[in-house]
Amino acid sequence: AQSVTQLGSHVSVSEGALVLLRCNYSSSVPPYLFWYVQYPNQGLQLLLKYTTGATLVKGINGFEAEFKKSETSFHLTKPSAHMSDAAEYFCAVSASFGNEKLTFGTGTRLTIIP
Amino acid sequence: GAGVSQSPSNKVTEKGKDVELRCDPISGHTALYWYRQSLGQGLEFLIYFQGNSAPDKSGLPSDRFSAERTGGSVSTLTIQRTQQEDSAVYLCASSLPQRRTPHNEQFFGPGTRLTVL
Repeated sequence: AQSVTQLGSHVSVSEGALVLLRCNYSSSVPPYLFWYVQYPNQGLQLLLKYTTGATLVKGINGFEAEFKKSETSFHLTKPSAHMSDAAEYFCAVSASFGNEKLTFGTGTRLTIIP
Repeated sequence: GAGVSQSPSNKVTEKGKDVELRCDPISGHTALYWYRQSLGQGLEFLIYFQGNSAPDKSGLPSDRFSAERTGGSVSTLTIQRTQQEDSAVYLCASSLPQRRTPHNEQFFGPGTRLTVL
């Protein structure tokens, strides 16, 4: 079984500041890990994913995340926030075998302060 | 190309009525997933299709919920005797045949917002 915990349901950062959204996971099998973004009244869009190989993964819009097995974490970062980054962000996990259903965290709403 | 489409975009219904939600996946995507997004429960998996069969229905919350898929394409999620707690956004996603790559990306539709009065 898999589960995801996102610390902080709301995060506010100033434009140009570092964005850090936290995600910890639990999985009984080697996990695949994902970050999705959801803009208002839209579906989910994949930002980045970790499946195998390099533990630092880069995604769209300047985001990146690092898989740390020892800490069971997959935190999302962006060096400099932009107003267009305001959205809700979801961390998700799936098993590395079997069907690929996603188990999501509860989401973090990111607000950018001008 | 066209993405995943869902209809209707909004549905308001009265308690006790049946509703049908439709999902048109991306052409060639044999895997299809339904999820539910609600204030109290976050994003939850409901059911997974591979082709027309549903090997994982473990997320369906009650026997009032059912889904089918025909022709390996369109899927319909049916909720019978709707209750107020069924109010949520129902999201559909599709992906390429399983295991073509280490996890195929799931492409999400815009969702159907269901309100049960």
